[in-house]
Order: sequence, then structure tokens, then C-alpha cells
Amino acid sequence: DIQMTQSPSSLSASVGDRVTITCRASQSISSYLNWYQQKPGKAPKLLIYDASSLQSGVPSRFSGSGSGTDFTLTISGLQPEDFATYYCQHSHTTPWTFGHGTKVEIK
Amino acid sequence: QVQLVQSGSELKKPGASVKVSCKASGYTFTSYAINWVRQAPGQGLEWMGWINTNTGNPTYGPGFTGRFVFSLDTSVSTAYLQISSLKAEDTAIYYCARERGSSSELDYWGQGTLVTVSS
Repeated sequence: DIQMTQSPSSLSASVGDRVTITCRASQSISSYLNWYQQKPGKAPKLLIYDASSLQSGVPSRFSGSGSGTDFTLTISGLQPEDFATYYCQHSHTTPWTFGHGTKVEIK
Repeated sequence: QVQLVQSGSELKKPGASVKVSCKASGYTFTSYAINWVRQAPGQGLEWMGWINTNTGNPTYGPGFTGRFVFSLDTSVSTAYLQISSLKAEDTAIYYCARERGSSSELDYWGQGTLVTVSS
């Protein structure tokens, strides 16, 4: 099974900061990588699919990059509503697996 | 608009069974697979598997074979997750999610169903 390693597990940042979260796959997954945002008590929300495609309705301050084994989610200009937990997920071959999550907290 | 509406919270005793429903609306149900994802209290997301809504063929993730069953009733656009012989460690929120596109991204999610297993 393909393992997804996300880092950091948590970070503190201020409104307006640029935040980068990384996700590494245990083997090449091409661009079969998706990113989700989850707020407490809510279902996850799709942000980025195919490693770099922005889901409809998601603000353009969110961007994704990478291919193969190394991927990045960037939030350019953190907003108050962005404080949440972020998960990567591969969909190369089943079983899909999620990273363990990155909690973005207010500094 | 696309919606997935799940059944309400359940409190069950160890050894019992539970059936969670996920009713889809706003799109053609048989055109998109349904995935199931588990989230234990305070933990991350765990992929349980998916069901082909066109053929009814399920695929189970590791650790979700035997006691877990995915099923459909296409006449009411509803997917089901049944868990038998419940254990305390099955206590979690269970989500259904629609799978879309070539990257199999999960674009719409149900609100989640909390299943609590306690004596």
C-alpha cells in the first residue's frame, strides 16, 4: 500500500502569512493527489485535485503543486477562515490513503 | 444542488449491528461511485472503500473486510454501510463521499454519522 507522509503535523501562523504543507508518497503516484480542508465538527472539503487543479468555489489563495512523490499545498495570505486541518490523499491505486493531517493554528 | 444526506447518530452495544444510510440528490446517482471514510475521535481520515453505483460491486480497504458491507438501493439513490459485530473501536464518524473525475477526488461529502459503541 502507498503511504502518505504529511509535514508538519501542526503549525502556528498569523493572518496574512504564506503557509506551505508538504505531502510525500512512498512511491510515485504521478499527479493522483488531492487536498482537503476539515474544520472542527464538519465534513472534509475538497480544495485541490490532480495535484494542482483548484476545485470550483475555492479561493485562489490555495494552490497545489508537485508530481511523482513530492507535493505541496500553499496558502498565500492566510485568512481567519483558513484555520483548520488539512489532509492529502492519493488516488493512484486502491487502497486510497490519507496523510495524517496538518493542523493550522492561530499564532 | 448535489447533496449527500446521512442518517443520524447511533448508540449501539458491543456485538450489535448498525446500518448507516447516505441519500444522494441533485445528480444521477449511478454516474458516480460512493466512497466511505472513517474518522475515529480526535483522529485523521481513514479510507474504508468504495462501491460502484452502476454495478453494485464493492471494494473494501484493508481492515474493512468481513464485518463491513457496502450496499445500494438505486431506486432511492441511497448507499448503505452496514457494520456487524460492533466493537468499541468502531466508535467513529462515518462519512460517505462522491467520487469524481480521473483523479478520483471526493468532491461532495455527507455530513457524517457518529456511531458510538458502548455497553
